[in-house]
Amino acid sequence: DAGVIQSPRHEVTEMGQEVTLRCKPISGHDYLFWYRQTMMRGLELLIYFNNNVPIDDSGMPEDRFSAKMPNASFSTLKIQPSEPRDSAVYFCASSFGGLGQPQHFGDGTRLSIL
Amino acid sequence: GQQLNQSPQSMFIQEGEDVSMNCTSSSIFNTWLWYKQDPGEGPVLLIALYKAGELTSNGRLTAQFGITRKDSFLNISASIPSDVGIYFCAGPYNQGGKLIFGQGTELSVKP
Repeated sequence: DAGVIQSPRHEVTEMGQEVTLRCKPISGHDYLFWYRQTMMRGLELLIYFNNNVPIDDSGMPEDRFSAKMPNASFSTLKIQPSEPRDSAVYFCASSFGGLGQPQHFGDGTRLSIL
Repeated sequence: GQQLNQSPQSMFIQEGEDVSMNCTSSSIFNTWLWYKQDPGEGPVLLIALYKAGELTSNGRLTAQFGITRKDSFLNISASIPSDVGIYFCAGPYNQGGKLIFGQGTELSVKP
């Protein structure tokens, strides 16, 4: 069975550029989560969707970050303009049947902003 | 905000040794989850616990849901080099809310 698929796996870009991260959740899952992982702050929840609708974006650091889920099989996290402090590993996760249910993670996008 | 405290933060052990780590909270949890993250990959769910006192095994891994519902334990028996990674506990904040994660226990195994 396919797990959560993220692309790209690695992204290196210069500050000021727009960055788009992509996620395909597990088919049938009704929750989708975007996380950021850094050494200093660990795993931070940025935003989550339920049935494609954004429910809680309180973890999004600032207006430069935006996320969309146009359908049940695709989500994007966009950073515009990007800054060096956005460098981190970004994970997408999905789950089924409730907010507190076990989440299944993708392998992440390692983002480096120069 | 609510936190999950994992200990130890890191462990350096010899292959073949048993490992114990734990996760504590100041609040009651109804679910405890244990994940492992290999370098360069996403966290993978190892064990899910749903009842106080529950003891669940997955191969050489055994996890327990503490009786007080404020802690959980993960044991690994006869460690091998591929056990290397970061182990995270997680639980739904406020009984069914968003998952919160501990800061992780980093395990290193010397062959």
